Amino acid sequence: DTEVTQTPKHLVMGMTNKKSLKCEQHMGHRAMYWYKQKAKKPPELMFVYSYEKLSINESVPSRFSPECPNSSLLNLHLHALQPEDSALYLCASSNTGLDEQFFGPGTRLTVL
Amino acid sequence: DQQVKQNSPSLSVQEGRISILNCDYTNSMFDYFLWYKKYPAEGPTFLISISSIKDKNEDGRFTVFLNKSAKHLSLHIVPSQPGDSAVYFCAASARGTYKYIFGTGTRLKVLA
Repeated sequence: DTEVTQTPKHLVMGMTNKKSLKCEQHMGHRAMYWYKQKAKKPPELMFVYSYEKLSINESVPSRFSPECPNSSLLNLHLHALQPEDSALYLCASSNTGLDEQFFGPGTRLTVL
Repeated sequence: DQQVKQNSPSLSVQEGRISILNCDYTNSMFDYFLWYKKYPAEGPTFLISISSIKDKNEDGRFTVFLNKSAKHLSLHIVPSQPGDSAVYFCAASARGTYKYIFGTGTRLKVLA
């Protein structure tokens, strides 16, 4: 199984809502990532978990809160987002930090 | 400061001909380079990678060339097929850092 799954595919939320994005992989990868991608821009790294510990936070605002409950799951908790946070949120995993990443299909987030 | 750049936002090529996509980087610490292909509403798909100890890596129709002195890499697709039409991102990493920096992308259109 070389798949990274993400749910939901689409999410519309108001600025006062709390929601969560979910990512799952069953490849035994020890590193998992969250990226944000705006239209016509490259994916931008947000967070990296290595061996279930947060190893990189790219100065992401605290309204985004990552969580890694186990080695297969990665969540991104959203609270009090702004309209400019609307984007495609991509999850990825890799075996280590020394090889290619496998990406999920993304969650298209719209903040009203 | 964009550490990885793809200066051609778009490229059109006839089916059967060679597609050459270029990527430049500025950080001399980068030692691992990857190419991804992305269709709309999907996550990036890994195509091919190259380590800085090599100057060429080949996988089927795809070949990546690395010129370390020029801090330049290129992806050659031969022969190009209509199904290759997508956005191509190069990415660079200092191995073991878990930080992959993506280029701005090149939209390839292969004309039948």
